[in-house]
Order: sequence, then structure tokens, then C-alpha cells
Amino acid sequence: QQQVKQSPQSLIVQKGGISIINCAYENTAFDYFPWYQQFPGKGPALLIAIRPDVSEKKEGRFTISFNKSAKQFSLHIMDSQPGDSATYFCAASKKGGSEKLVFGKGTKLTVNP
Amino acid sequence: GAGVSQSPSNKVTEKGKDVELRCDPISGHTALYWYRQSLGQGLEFLIYFQGNSAPDKSGLPSDRFSAERTGGSVSTLTIQRTQQEDSAVYLCASSLSGGAIYEQFFGPGTRLTVL
Repeated sequence: QQQVKQSPQSLIVQKGGISIINCAYENTAFDYFPWYQQFPGKGPALLIAIRPDVSEKKEGRFTISFNKSAKQFSLHIMDSQPGDSATYFCAASKKGGSEKLVFGKGTKLTVNP
Repeated sequence: GAGVSQSPSNKVTEKGKDVELRCDPISGHTALYWYRQSLGQGLEFLIYFQGNSAPDKSGLPSDRFSAERTGGSVSTLTIQRTQQEDSAVYLCASSLSGGAIYEQFFGPGTRLTVL
């Protein structure tokens, strides 16, 4: 049972456009939702994260939108750049125990110049 | 400062052989995680170490997989009698302490290929 579903699997955007990646979760105990960015041959790196007490968080060109009632959250990349081309993973964790991250399957983003 | 390092970066082995993968976390980080990343899949949690607490082994897929962390620092993931389905990138991450509030810093991974 996949606890975090991510879409689309791949995304192609023109430079300057908006990239939108969506995730849905099932476990209402999740209370931390990070996004990770991974370049080829590298480990993932934390991009931005949100907790369910806010509906939106913005850091530079990256914004997380969070809809608690729908159990969905999304990453918006404004003014997408070729350097943003990478694989993006959403994740979730719940309080207690190891608070391990449960990851979506990833979205490969390509930003064309 | 130095990030999380993993060795080897690539490992090719034959089916049935044992392999050991090493992770050097960031100095001072007490929490250490192992994940597996298969082609087209997300990261799958394997095991978690936090200080002197008993590790969370709930993600280990079979008893062929084991891990240890010596002296609260370096960790080794061992896969016995490797199978072709074990082929994946094995990622290690460390964080200042346990809990999602602390950012997990990932190493570059070890790409394991089982022939």
C-alpha cells in the first residue's frame, strides 16, 4: 500500500514557466511534509517543508500548498529554470518513533531553455 | 564541513555473494537512516539508528539484510546471499537528532548491481 502518491511521473516545462507536482497521502497521522530535490548521481537534498498548521509556505521560487481536508500537497516552482531540472520527491512522516520519511515515487522535471 | 560519505560508490557482485556497504555520517549527528532507491521508485526506508536506542529495523525487507552502527558513528549495511532484486541505490542519511524536525542529509549512495 503506497502511503504517498505522487504525480506526474515526469514533467516538461519551458524556461520561465510554472512547474506543479502533486502528492496525496492517506495516513492522517502524518504531520511533516518535505520536498526533496535529487540531481543525477547525487543524494536527495531538502528543498522545502511544511507542517499542516499552515496552508502555504514559500521560499524564493518554491512554494508548497497544503490542503489538509483533501490530504494533498503540492510543489510549485515559479519561473522554472534549466538548473531546476532534477527529480523531485515528496515525503511525509508522523510523530513518534523514528519519524522515518515515507517517500513518493518521484517526478522527473525537465526545464527546456 | 564534510557531508555524509558512502563507500563504495558502485558495487557489482554475483548472485549469492555477501556485500557490505559503508556510511560515514556527518560528525555530531546522532541519527542515521538507510534507504533503498530502486529504478523508478521512491526511497524505501530500511533502518534507523538514534544514539544508544534500539534501532528501528521495521523496513528491512528480509533477514538477509542487517546493519550495525559502531561507536555511534560509522554504519555498515550488510546484505547476505544477494539476489538480483537487491540491485538498487542504497542511500544513507544522517541528522542532528532523531525526529522529522531535523533535516536529513543524504550521502551520494552506493549503486549495487547483482548479476
